[in-house]
Amino acid sequence: EIVLTQSPGTLSLSPGERATLSCRASQSVSSSSLAWYQQKPGQTPRLLIYGTSSRATGIPDRFSAGGSGTDFTLTISTLEPEDFALYYCQQYNPSPLTFGGGTKVEIK
Amino acid sequence: QVQLQESGPGLVKPSETLSLTCTVSGASITSYYWNWVRQAPGKGLEWIGYGHHSGSTKYNPSLKSRVTISVDTSKNQFSAKVSSVTAADTAVYYCARWHSGFNALDIWGPGTLVTVSS
Repeated sequence: EIVLTQSPGTLSLSPGERATLSCRASQSVSSSSLAWYQQKPGQTPRLLIYGTSSRATGIPDRFSAGGSGTDFTLTISTLEPEDFALYYCQQYNPSPLTFGGGTKVEIK
Repeated sequence: QVQLQESGPGLVKPSETLSLTCTVSGASITSYYWNWVRQAPGKGLEWIGYGHHSGSTKYNPSLKSRVTISVDTSKNQFSAKVSSVTAADTAVYYCARWHSGFNALDIWGPGTLVTVSS
């Protein structure tokens, strides 16, 4: 089973700053299988990014992502107040589908 | 607009079987793979498994011996059963649609909290 390690665990930033979140896999994963989700407190996870770098419908372009092999990154170019949340990476190839432990982006 | 809605017992006793149902509206259940994901209080996301109308299923190896997922095309619903539950199975359970074009879970239900306690 692929273990996804997200870092840092918590990122304390101010609105307007740039956020860089890391997702490292225990072995190489298919780029087409790497996704990112956002979850706000008490809410359902929302798909942000699929296929490593493609934004889901309605996701603003301040969210970007990339990577390959075992190292993947989600970047929020300029943090808006609504971006403070938990972020999870996910992969499914190779099976089984696994999630990272999450990175919390909090207001500094 | 595609919507998913979970329904569950709320409270289950240890050693019993937890049964969950997800009702799909706005999409045909025959067109996608349907997943269950859970989140223990204050913890991260854990994939449980998926079902397909063809009968194909896949489960998280950590739960495989205790989980059964099925799809009911007549009701546009899918279900999960988790047997021999313990307190460690206390979680919010989400149903979610797997979109093969995205290779991701693109639509989620609001989730239902299931507590395992005597």
